[in-house]
Amino acid sequence: QSVVTQPPSASGTPGQRVTISCSGSSSNIGSNSVNWYQQVTGTAPKLLIYSNTRRPSGVPDRFSASKSGTSASLAISGLQSEDEAEYYCAAWDDSLNVLVFGGGTKLTVL
Amino acid sequence: QVRLVQSGAEVKPPASSVTVSCKGSGYTFSWFAINWVRQAPGQGPEWMGGIFPISGTPRYAQKFQDRVTINADESTSTVYMELRSLKSDDTAIYYCARDVEAAPSSNVPFYYYGMDVWGQGTTVIVSS
Repeated sequence: QSVVTQPPSASGTPGQRVTISCSGSSSNIGSNSVNWYQQVTGTAPKLLIYSNTRRPSGVPDRFSASKSGTSASLAISGLQSEDEAEYYCAAWDDSLNVLVFGGGTKLTVL
Repeated sequence: QVRLVQSGAEVKPPASSVTVSCKGSGYTFSWFAINWVRQAPGQGPEWMGGIFPISGTPRYAQKFQDRVTINADESTSTVYMELRSLKSDDTAIYYCARDVEAAPSSNVPFYYYGMDVWGQGTTVIVSS
């Protein structure tokens, strides 16, 4: 059971905008930056967002993120079939002194 | 290009140890932290620990504190992760991953922004 909570699933149709939420506490999201990772089955996770809102080079601007208090969200606009993957949020937890990952959200493109 | 190349798959008996290596290339190795993340079958990622090569001081997740050792060899641009007293639930894919940003200074013991370059993963199977 993760200390950071995500919905287990999300879905959308091509071209649609979807959001994935991530809820934590004052010791993790509330006091540290949030990352978002995308993982396609059988491959390593890929960093989509760091420092709450920054995209590494090569990540399309269809992916955006925000944070407010102890919650964060990832938005994917112009949904594409290749966006079908598992999405994880992550943040450093000051109480546990560890990087914590959310339980993951399986995104299905209908 | 920036790459992390890990050592090959391992099959180990319970109670033994395993060492996985991770060799960096295409960037200034010493200035970027390296993290170790594992993923058991059907599970999410789990952070085990990391190291900033210049400081040489590892940071471990408490869960693994007594069983894991991470060290860096700047001369070969390689980070090693040893996990001891293996149990069946240590069966997983083990990844090394580089931080997205260079260290803010050489004086920090460890830092974390995010992991943008990942090794190919090393499958470790613990089985008698």
